[in-house]
Amino acid sequence: QKEVEQNSGPLSVPEGAIASLNCTYSDRGSQSFFWYRQYSGKSPELIMSIYSNGDKEDGRFTAQLNKASQYVSLLIRDSQPSDSATYLCAVKGGSNSGYALNFGKGTSLLVTP
Amino acid sequence: DTGVSQDPRHKITKRGQNVTFRCDPISEHNRLYWYRQTLGQGPEFLTYFQNEAQLEKSRLLSDRFSAERPKGSFSTLEIQRTEQGDSAMYLCASSSLAGGPETQYFGPGTRLLVL
Repeated sequence: QKEVEQNSGPLSVPEGAIASLNCTYSDRGSQSFFWYRQYSGKSPELIMSIYSNGDKEDGRFTAQLNKASQYVSLLIRDSQPSDSATYLCAVKGGSNSGYALNFGKGTSLLVTP
Repeated sequence: DTGVSQDPRHKITKRGQNVTFRCDPISEHNRLYWYRQTLGQGPEFLTYFQNEAQLEKSRLLSDRFSAERPKGSFSTLEIQRTEQGDSAMYLCASSSLAGGPETQYFGPGTRLLVL
């Protein structure tokens, strides 16, 4: 069974700090990796996608991918209270793994003023 | 481009009743997905359409669940003889391969409560 694992948290960081969210996955053939943000009672909202090893930066967000270690992370710099949400890691498998995204359970982030 | 829309946003029903949800994808997207999410869990895949063809179904999609996408535009998800365990957020997502790797965008979801 293809699994995506995340620490459920809550992860608490002070405003202005760096929040580091981590995700591991079991399907070594996975090709595409996504981070979604989900506020309570709302639907997932795409933050970042990453497809190759290394770092990808977009504003305050940096996604990091290490396929050898089957590990993907999201860094949020200068964290704001508005960043408080659940962050979902999603992985899409290789061509033989179907079309769906496999999601972790999410990490709850709390940014305290 | 108004994004993915879903209707209704909330549905309360009694056990044993049938319910139907609608999803309108982003207009140029030919791929459409249904997911289900319960409290404290990530979304779980239910089914996938490419245009009007239903190409993949999860084992989670029991015989009481049926989905359609006539003419490859909007999609409906019907649950027959609802059970309390069907209470969840039902999410629709759409995507396209045009212009690069596939990225799924989610609608606002339909929250179902079965009493």
